Amino acid sequence: EAQVTQNPRYLITVTGKKLTVTCSQNMNHEYMSWYRQDPGLGLRQIYYSMNVEVTDKGDVPEGYKVSRKEKRNFPLILESPSPNQTSLYFCASSLTSTLNEQFFGPGTRLTVL
Amino acid sequence: GDSVTQMEGPVTLSEEAFLTINCTYTATGYPSLFWYVQYPGEGLQLLLKATKADDKGSNKGFEATYRKETTSFHLEKGSVQVSDSAVYFCALSDRGYSTLTFGKGTMLLVSP
Repeated sequence: EAQVTQNPRYLITVTGKKLTVTCSQNMNHEYMSWYRQDPGLGLRQIYYSMNVEVTDKGDVPEGYKVSRKEKRNFPLILESPSPNQTSLYFCASSLTSTLNEQFFGPGTRLTVL
Repeated sequence: GDSVTQMEGPVTLSEEAFLTINCTYTATGYPSLFWYVQYPGEGLQLLLKATKADDKGSNKGFEATYRKETTSFHLEKGSVQVSDSAVYFCALSDRGYSTLTFGKGTMLLVSP
């Protein structure tokens, strides 16, 4: 089944403890992206990647890192999480970077205490 | 910069009622426009899209027409069902590639 998977789905952690949220897609998509969803703010893009080893900042990149070493994986790294990073995170992918439909993962709900 | 404005929710309707969710946008170029739907506990799914002025996107009984003169892309459905209860997001891309700018979302609640 074609899909985008994220792990973990739920995570409660403490301030300053490094964490990684994994994202993987099995559709051979070139483009991948991370969004955060907050009440009253909709979805905002954190980082995106047009292909392997090519990443760029979105609208709210502060406090996050990403890497794209392989086509299928696009992990989101929080080196020192803070409570303002408590949010619902979505990974998405599309066939290419040129205006294809984006497929979204199921989301990761992160709480930073 | 780009922005998308949607009507605030929740929108509460009875089954078989007519639905309109308003969406207007601001963009520097000629954007493509999208509606995404998020069912409870799930990720977003593309509902419909339109890539140029006067295009009508349609899917599952929903439709929206790209109106350049009013910079709008309102979502409509003639007869909603309980299963349509979800959050609906209007979005645009005017950079020619897949990065999207989303509105804040509108929750739709349909009662039997």
